[in-house]
Amino acid sequence: DTAVSQTPKYLVTQMGNDKSIKCEQNLGHDTMYWYKQDSKKFLKIMFSYNNKELIINETVPNRFSPKSPDKAHLNLHINSLELGDSAVYFCASSQRLQPPLGEQFFGPGTRLTVL
Amino acid sequence: QQQVKQSPQSLIVQKGGIPIINCAYENTAFDYFPWYQQFPGKGPALLIAIRPDVSEKKEGRFTISFNKSAKQFSLHIMDSQPGDSATYFCAAGIYNQGGKLIFGQGTELSVKP
Repeated sequence: DTAVSQTPKYLVTQMGNDKSIKCEQNLGHDTMYWYKQDSKKFLKIMFSYNNKELIINETVPNRFSPKSPDKAHLNLHINSLELGDSAVYFCASSQRLQPPLGEQFFGPGTRLTVL
Repeated sequence: QQQVKQSPQSLIVQKGGIPIINCAYENTAFDYFPWYQQFPGKGPALLIAIRPDVSEKKEGRFTISFNKSAKQFSLHIMDSQPGDSATYFCAAGIYNQGGKLIFGQGTELSVKP
């Protein structure tokens, strides 16, 4: 029943480690996104994929690498984690140009804590 | 030019009051203005959205007012309820460009019983 799911929900790790967050959507959408929400709740887009093709790549460190194996999945791999990477990461999906106005559906988020 | 400025940062109203949240933008290319609602521990969810060809849109107790010349838009919540307590985000995007949304800073709304 879950529309956009993410795993894990919580991730606690040490500085310097490499970690991955997985996202899956069962809405049949063709576009998926990664957002970062910082401690002040500011929400900023990181990446967007449309039909497995990268279409939005904001100014994000190279340590962050998204991968889309198919339209329904978008994973985020982070190398050499830093304290500043601590945040909540949201995956979202949408159907481009489809009413209502390309609504983006968000997942429940992954809270990443880097110690 | 890519910023969306949202105010106030926090808002407390009594049940039945009408909280108003304001947003302003600079980029005249923006043509899609959604509002998202986020409860603690959850992802944001679309509440209501507007395109600049109309000046107002109402869905239930939620109304967006849009002023194209002033490059401002606002959310009004009629007859607010304690269940409306959440963080509200305005956003702006260019409808035909990949779905990229620029979010405002968020407003934490608390509706007291």
